[in-house]
Amino acid sequence: QVQLVQSGSELKKPGASVKVSCKASGYTFTSYAMNWVRQAPGQGLEWMGWINTNTGNPTYAQGFTGRFVFSLDTSVSTAYLQISSLKAEDTAVYYCARDPDGSGPDYMDVWGKGTTVTVSS
Amino acid sequence: DIQMTQSPSSLSASVGDRVTITCQASQDISNYLNWYQQKPGKAPKLLIYDASNLETGVPSRFSGSGSGTDFTFTISSLQPEDIATYYCQQYDNLPLVFGQGTKLEIK
Repeated sequence: QVQLVQSGSELKKPGASVKVSCKASGYTFTSYAMNWVRQAPGQGLEWMGWINTNTGNPTYAQGFTGRFVFSLDTSVSTAYLQISSLKAEDTAVYYCARDPDGSGPDYMDVWGKGTTVTVSS
Repeated sequence: DIQMTQSPSSLSASVGDRVTITCQASQDISNYLNWYQQKPGKAPKLLIYDASNLETGVPSRFSGSGSGTDFTFTISSLQPEDIATYYCQQYDNLPLVFGQGTKLEIK
């Protein structure tokens, strides 16, 4: 079946880095774009950006430039989100979500279960 | 950026009630509007795409309508398992933007 399996929860200190993985199965990885969505504790959904799984070209929403990097390893059908110089306000659940339109984001039909990143000293 | 305003922010209804949530865009987004359900501690789930298309496997008591700036999401007969927060999301322009959510509770 189609699924996205995300890596496990992370506890990091301020200033550290974290890399979240999102492994796809059950479909052709490069036929669908991948979005990343953040949800801070008790808050709503915030779109971080998307990556074209054919070209590897990422697009970042405002507020997610500089410290946030989307990448791929198509050989293992996996998307990655790396966050550097972590701050307490990065504490959130991070979701990967498949997009049926490979050329641009529109709707998200399959979601990972989310990865909780906690930043605390 | 396009702003999405959902109302109400919370709603209490009884099993069997008809429930309606609205979402207003700050500019014309045609029918580029999706609806998601998020249950506590779970990932969001796509219910409606392109304003009115029911995602495969989603019960027919869920429906969506609207175009331009005003959209409506309806549950025709509320079931206990529908307790969740519902979000609209536009994709007419980047960045994709979600509404602030509507938390639905059982009365």
